[in-house]
Formats: sequence, structure tokens, C-alpha cells
Amino acid sequence: TQLLEQSPQFLSIQEGENLTVYCNSSSVFSSLQWYRQEPGEGPVLLVTVVTGGEVKKLKRLTFQFGDARKDSSLHITAAQPGDTGLYLCAFGGATNKLIFGTGTLLAVQP
Amino acid sequence: NAGVMQNPRHLVRRRGQEARLRCSPVKGHSHVYWYRQLPEEGLKFMVYLQKENIIDESGMPKERFSAEFPKEGPSILRIQQVVRGDSAAYFCASSPPRQGVFYEQYFGPGTRLTVT
Repeated sequence: TQLLEQSPQFLSIQEGENLTVYCNSSSVFSSLQWYRQEPGEGPVLLVTVVTGGEVKKLKRLTFQFGDARKDSSLHITAAQPGDTGLYLCAFGGATNKLIFGTGTLLAVQP
Repeated sequence: NAGVMQNPRHLVRRRGQEARLRCSPVKGHSHVYWYRQLPEEGLKFMVYLQKENIIDESGMPKERFSAEFPKEGPSILRIQQVVRGDSAAYFCASSPPRQGVFYEQYFGPGTRLTVT
């Protein structure tokens, strides 16, 4: 059973387009994190959301935590080739371990 | 500030050999985590260690895998008698002591293990 389902699984778009990826669960989380992983590298933390309904912006990236704290979304405006990578949501389980979602692989074509 | 360092970056082993993966955490971080990334399974937790202690090894296979984080030196993930199914990317992460609800972990670049 996968606790965090991400959609879509794959996404290929042209430079300049907007996109949204989703992270859904039936469980309630105290916090949720988003990571980006580039090919051949480890995941890099983008943001942590804590409060239901919270919206955080990081340049062209907008993160939202659902009101019920069961889901989250990541919206990218005017995507660039540098946004290419694997986007992972994650929550902190017992003993600090991170439980990752299934991931969304994004390719932005120039 | 140096981030998490892992070596080697790439490791090739024949079936039956041993693989040793090393991880040096961010300076001042006393918590180390190991994760494995398989193409069809995503990124999965393996083990969580503090200095000289294993805190949570619920994600470790029961046989052939072991991990340590000694008082001095890097954390080591050891895989004995490797099989083809062990081929994967292994990531180490470190964090300072937990604060509030945040679990901010900093990941290394990974070791890509290939078993031939």
C-alpha cells in the first residue's frame, strides 16, 4: 500500500507552459515536504508545508497544503528546462524516517 | 559548508562479493539515514542511525545488509554476498536533532551499485 500517491507519473511539456503535480493520501500529516531530484543526484528539499491551507511560493513554484492536510500540490509557472527532474513529496514517519511518494518525472523541452 | 558526502559514487561488484558504501554527514549532524532507490519502487527508507546506535532498521532486508555509524568516521552500509537485485542507487541523508514537526534531511549524491 502506497501512502502517498503522486500524479501524473510522467509529464513532458514545452518551455513556457504551466503545470501542476499532485500528492494525495488518505492519511492526515502534520507536515509534508517536496523534493526535486535531478538525474544522478540526491533529492534536494524545496519546501516544507505545515498548516492546512498553507500556500508557499518559491520563485515560479507554488506549493499548497490541503485544508485537511491529506494532500498537496505543486504548481510551476512558465516552466524552464532547468525544472526538469523527479519531484517527490514526503512526510516524516515515526523515528524521523521520510516516507516518499511515487514521484512525478517532469521533462521540460526547450 | 560541505554537504553530505558519499563514496564511491559508482560501484561495480560481481555476485557474491561484498559492497561497502560510505557516508560522511554534514558537519555537526549526528543523525544519519540510508535510503535505496530502485527503478520500479521509488525511494525507500532503510535505516536510521545516531552515533554508535541503530535507531530504526525497519527498512533493512533481514539478511546480508548491515549499517553502522561509529563514534569516529563515516557511516557504512555493508552488503554481503551481493545479488543482482541489490543493484540500485543508495542515498545517505543527515539531519541535526529533530526540531518541532520538521524532518529536514540533507541528501548526498548517492552511490550507484551495479551487480554483474
